[in-house]
Amino acid sequence: KAGVTQTPRYLIKTRGQQVTLSCSPISGHRSVSWYQQTPGQGLQFLFEYFSETQRNKGNFPGRFSGRQFSNSRSEMNVSTLELGDSALYLCASSPRGLADPSGTGELFFGEGSRLTVL
Amino acid sequence: AQKVTQAQTEISVVEKEDVTLDCVYETRDTTYYLFWYKQPPSGELVFLIRRNSFDEQNEISGRYSWNFQKSTSSFNFTITASQVVDSAVYFCALSGNSGNTPLVFGKGTRLSVIA
Repeated sequence: KAGVTQTPRYLIKTRGQQVTLSCSPISGHRSVSWYQQTPGQGLQFLFEYFSETQRNKGNFPGRFSGRQFSNSRSEMNVSTLELGDSALYLCASSPRGLADPSGTGELFFGEGSRLTVL
Repeated sequence: AQKVTQAQTEISVVEKEDVTLDCVYETRDTTYYLFWYKQPPSGELVFLIRRNSFDEQNEISGRYSWNFQKSTSSFNFTITASQVVDSAVYFCALSGNSGNTPLVFGKGTRLSVIA
């Protein structure tokens, strides 16, 4: 069973540019979450999508956006990049999200996209 | 607000030693879930365990064991007879509101197991 695939794995951008990151969840998983990981702030939740609808959103500015397609693949976009956006962006998928009583609550994470903003 | 505190930033042990990673959490929810994840150098987080707030039974899985104590709001993780492959960053996390809120992670504990 293929795992969560994130592309690109590494990218370098300059301030003011925009970036789109892609996440392909495990087949059959309908929930996709995005997290930002930085040395200073640790792991912070960005948003969760379930069946193409945003179900939860973290405390990030509007420059951070996302979407989910009918095949459950998800993209996140960051516009007008700032130096502080340099981070590892992690995507996680699960069949129905954390609260699914029939599941373990396990999130399956990808290896992340490491963004460097210069 | 939910909060997870992992006071140990880095721990270094010699192979075969036992090591306990501490996790203290804060939440006002009566139903919540606690998790432990492992992050090896490759970057992806690997799920280790989920514990429901109503289930205070300790759990053992091979060399791993977890001690959940609601009275002290702690969910500690012990590795017995540590191995070099256990070297990683370990995160404790909390999801409140019956699991309907996103995971709140602690800052992680970097464990180094030296041969």
